[in-house]
Amino acid sequence: QQQVKQSPQSLIVQKGGISIINCAYENTAFDYFPWYQQFPGKGPALLIAIRPDVSEKKEGRFTISFNKSAKQFSLHIMDSQPGDSATYFCAVLSTLGRLYFGRGTQLTVWP
Amino acid sequence: DSGVTQTPKHLITATGQRVTLRCSPRSGDLSVYWYQQSLDQGLQFLIQYYNGEERAKGNILERFSAQQFPDLHSELNLSSLELGDSALYFCASSPIPGSGANVLTFGAGSRLTVL
Repeated sequence: QQQVKQSPQSLIVQKGGISIINCAYENTAFDYFPWYQQFPGKGPALLIAIRPDVSEKKEGRFTISFNKSAKQFSLHIMDSQPGDSATYFCAVLSTLGRLYFGRGTQLTVWP
Repeated sequence: DSGVTQTPKHLITATGQRVTLRCSPRSGDLSVYWYQQSLDQGLQFLIQYYNGEERAKGNILERFSAQQFPDLHSELNLSSLELGDSALYFCASSPIPGSGANVLTFGAGSRLTVL
């Protein structure tokens, strides 16, 4: 059973554009919502995360928007750069400490 | 460097064989997790250990087993290997499980190819 659904599967954005990746979860027993970034040949690395009592969190060009009632959260990458080209995973952390990942979004930013 | 060390980086073996993947967690982290990443299944949670004890089990096959040793390093044993076991296997660690602030730190992975 997939706890979190992520879309789109792949995304192509022009340099300077906005990249938007969406995730939806089903269970309400989650208390932390991180995003991971993975470059080829590397392990996923924590990019940014949000708690459910906050509707938005911004770190540099990266912003998480969180809609608790809709059980959805999204990652926005402003002024996308070729160096942002990677696979992005949303995840949900259960109150028992289990981390469930979305299927991933492969982002390509064209120069 | 994330601080989580995995060996070997690459492994090629034949069907029916057995392999062992090793993970050293980040200094100070007590909990170790194993994930399998394949193209069609994404990141699948296999198993978690905390301070030497099994804490949670995910989609781990009976042919697979793991343990965490007193020095906190962990090993994932994969036996009777099948072609479908070819994947990237990631180890991750965290200080303690169950806290939102303690999300996982991943190693660089071990790429297993079964021929």
